[in-house]
Amino acid sequence: GAVVSQHPSRVICKSGTSVKIECRSLDFQATTMFWYRQFPKQSLMLMATSNEGSKATYEQGVEKDKFLINHASLTLSTLTVTSAHPEDSSFYICSARRASGSPGELFFGEGSRLTVL
Amino acid sequence: DAKTTQPPSMDCAEGRAANLPCNHSTISGNEYVYWYRQIHSQGPQYIIHGLKNNETNEMASLIITEDRKSSTLILPHATLRDTAVYYCIVRAYNNNDMRFGAGTRLTVKP
Repeated sequence: GAVVSQHPSRVICKSGTSVKIECRSLDFQATTMFWYRQFPKQSLMLMATSNEGSKATYEQGVEKDKFLINHASLTLSTLTVTSAHPEDSSFYICSARRASGSPGELFFGEGSRLTVL
Repeated sequence: DAKTTQPPSMDCAEGRAANLPCNHSTISGNEYVYWYRQIHSQGPQYIIHGLKNNETNEMASLIITEDRKSSTLILPHATLRDTAVYYCIVRAYNNNDMRFGAGTRLTVKP
């Protein structure tokens, strides 16, 4: 089956620093990737939609200057949390849709747990 | 996309069938029903989806009522590893994104 890999799986950083999370589709090309954030005991909240070669579309309330998304190739999207603060500590999950295939069949990464001290 | 309603939690005995309901009374004709699950601290896993016919795969069965206003995900022989949060999502086929509700926390007990 299709595999989506995230790296790093866990990251701890100091307040004020920036952290980059990578999302890769390992065995398929993904024209669209999605970034979610999940706080403890809550559901996944869509942050942004990333299309290869174009600017990401952010959900209402998500600061695009704080959460920089780059989708430079059909297999890689990155999320950079800039000037991270403790309230940014969360579980970040990406998903990818195959260039060919059902729009509904999204493949999810394992998630990246960010802890900001 | 149509809103869904799921019970917040359910228990199931190991080896028995787990039947997870989902209400989507405002579903429209072009919207599919998708099920995903999320095991603790992992990314969601696709289970199954359907439009109006019942569907079955190696993981589960999806039963959609004739009026399509509700559906049931069936795990025929639940195991402890099926303990997870199960999300029922209704969305149009050509919609790009996938939005999650609160889901049902299924606990399979020995």
